[in-house]
Amino acid sequence: NAGVMQNPRHLVRRRGQEARLRCSPMKGHSHVYWYRQLPEEGLKFMVYLQKENIIDESGMPKERFSAEFPKEGPSILRIQQVVRGDSAAYFCASSPPDDRREQYFGPGTRLTVT
Amino acid sequence: GNSVTQMEGPVTLSEEAFLTINCTYTATGYPSLFWYVQYPGEGLQLLLKATKADDKGSNKGFEATYRKETTSFHLEKGSVQVSDSAVYFCALSVGNTPLVFGKGTRLSVIA
Repeated sequence: NAGVMQNPRHLVRRRGQEARLRCSPMKGHSHVYWYRQLPEEGLKFMVYLQKENIIDESGMPKERFSAEFPKEGPSILRIQQVVRGDSAAYFCASSPPDDRREQYFGPGTRLTVT
Repeated sequence: GNSVTQMEGPVTLSEEAFLTINCTYTATGYPSLFWYVQYPGEGLQLLLKATKADDKGSNKGFEATYRKETTSFHLEKGSVQVSDSAVYFCALSVGNTPLVFGKGTRLSVIA
């Protein structure tokens, strides 16, 4: 059973460009969560999605950041007009519908903004 | 609000030493408690969990007991190995709210 998959693993963008991060949840999981980890910090919750629905986006910055989880395909976290402060590791997690507390994490995407 | 405080690292131990990483929490409501481990260059892996007071979570020689009276969930291992070198995160979740993580404690085990 494949785990949570994220790509790319490393992404370099210049200031002002767009970054697209993808996450494929574990098979059978219908809940996806995105977290951001700044250097030497813990993970901070950003957004929680189910298929075609954003359930909780209380941790998302109000501007430039958006997320989706379409009916088909992976979940996408999009960051428009990136700035140096967006440099971080972005982790996706998924959980089964019957136990949202048990989250399985992907390997992360390390975004570097130059 | 909900928060987790864990001891700051880094922690450096010799192989076979005893490990304790302290974790305390504040929560509105009755939390579930977790320890996650992050090996270099990888994502987080669930190490162990406890969902009610006095429960003991255990895995791979690690243990943590849910202490409601002291709002703590300290991680322990009797004899660490070099392969245990990683960053350890304490976390909580209340009901269906998102996981709240501590800042992490880096453990280095030297042979």
